[in-house]
Amino acid sequence: GIQVEQSPPDLILQEGANSTLRCNFSDSVNNLQWFHQNPWGQLINLFYIPSGTKQNGRLSATTVATERYSLLYISSSQTTDSGVYFCAVRNQAGTALIFGKGTTLSVSS
Amino acid sequence: EAQVTQNPRYLITVTGKKLTVTCSQNMNHEYMSWYRQDPGLGLRQIYYSMNVEVTDKGDVPEGYKVSRKEKRNFPLILESPSPNQTSLYFCASSLWTNEKLFFGSGTQLSVL
Repeated sequence: GIQVEQSPPDLILQEGANSTLRCNFSDSVNNLQWFHQNPWGQLINLFYIPSGTKQNGRLSATTVATERYSLLYISSSQTTDSGVYFCAVRNQAGTALIFGKGTTLSVSS
Repeated sequence: EAQVTQNPRYLITVTGKKLTVTCSQNMNHEYMSWYRQDPGLGLRQIYYSMNVEVTDKGDVPEGYKVSRKEKRNFPLILESPSPNQTSLYFCASSLWTNEKLFFGSGTQLSVL
């Protein structure tokens, strides 16, 4: 099955710093999504980005499907950005998302 | 407001006592799914539904049941819960299978 790997596993930042999170996947996919799990456990969909680049405020994402990776950029990080960031791709049957293990981000003031 | 609503948020129960976790979406989505999240194992799919009356097993269906009698509702049933079903559960929905997926707030279940 499709493998999804995220790096780095952990990231510690000072408020105001920028960061880049990476997601590699093992097979060609047409559905990649980024999620943020906040400290209260809620999973928020940040981007649906099968290819190309999207921006939403301080966050942006780029997926290069032909090279099997996606990047999530966080600029001017804030303490509210803390949590776990997951990328996920649709399985080949099209019935489920396969999640990476996540990147745990801690932003301190 | 468009959302996926799960209840309850927290649940503590004892082994063998049947329980139901409810899930409802107000976005007219065709696809709904249940996931469980465990430390070290990540998010794994339990069951999914492509449409009303159409459900199928995910990766970890043992010990769970679901039903999809109406498009908006997709309850998760544990007929005889066991301690290894202690987990954080999420319901999710999307318009179709290949669309943006929206999650409910989660249900933290503890089976004693």
